[in-house]
Amino acid sequence: DIQLTQSPSSLSASVGDRVTITCRASEDIYSWLAWYQQKPGKAPKLLITAASTLHTGVPSRFSGSGFGTDFTLTISSLQPEDFATYYCQQANTFPITFGQGTRLEIK
Amino acid sequence: EVQLVESGGIVVQPGGSLRLSCAASGFSFDEYAMQWVRQAPGKGLEWVSLISWDGGSTFHANSVRGRFTISRDNSKNSLYLQMDSLRPEDTALYYCTRAAVPVNTDAFDIWGHGTMVTVSS
Repeated sequence: DIQLTQSPSSLSASVGDRVTITCRASEDIYSWLAWYQQKPGKAPKLLITAASTLHTGVPSRFSGSGFGTDFTLTISSLQPEDFATYYCQQANTFPITFGQGTRLEIK
Repeated sequence: EVQLVESGGIVVQPGGSLRLSCAASGFSFDEYAMQWVRQAPGKGLEWVSLISWDGGSTFHANSVRGRFTISRDNSKNSLYLQMDSLRPEDTALYYCTRAAVPVNTDAFDIWGHGTMVTVSS
């Protein structure tokens, strides 16, 4: 199975900060990576597909990059509603796998 | 409105069986791959099973293979998860999700609210 390792596992930041979350795959997954945001008590929300394509309706302060084994999710200027847990997910090979999550908290 | 509504989650004893259902509405169900994702209390997301748009291909996580079976009835706009030989570690909130793009299986954009399965004696 392909392992996805996110770093950091948790992060404290302030409104207006630029934040980057990393997702590393245990083998080449080309661009088959998606990012999700999950708030407490809610279902996950799709942010990014194909490593860098912003999903419909997602604010442009979110961006994704990477190819192969190393990927990043960047939030250019944190807003209060962005404090949540973020997950990466690969679909290059079954079984589909998720990263362990990165919890973004208010400093 | 595009919507997924899960049902069927209950408290069940170890070794028991359960069938989860997911009712889809607001889109052409028979064009999209569907999957189940679960989340144990306080834990991260775990992919469970995926089925192609026509039901011709199914995939399961190693942790559930041989015990869980995903299926769909496109005439009823419904997705199912038959869960047998349940274990305490299957306790989780089970989400039904839809592929973001017809036929594709790389990302999932519509999620239900989830149905809770508790395996306990």
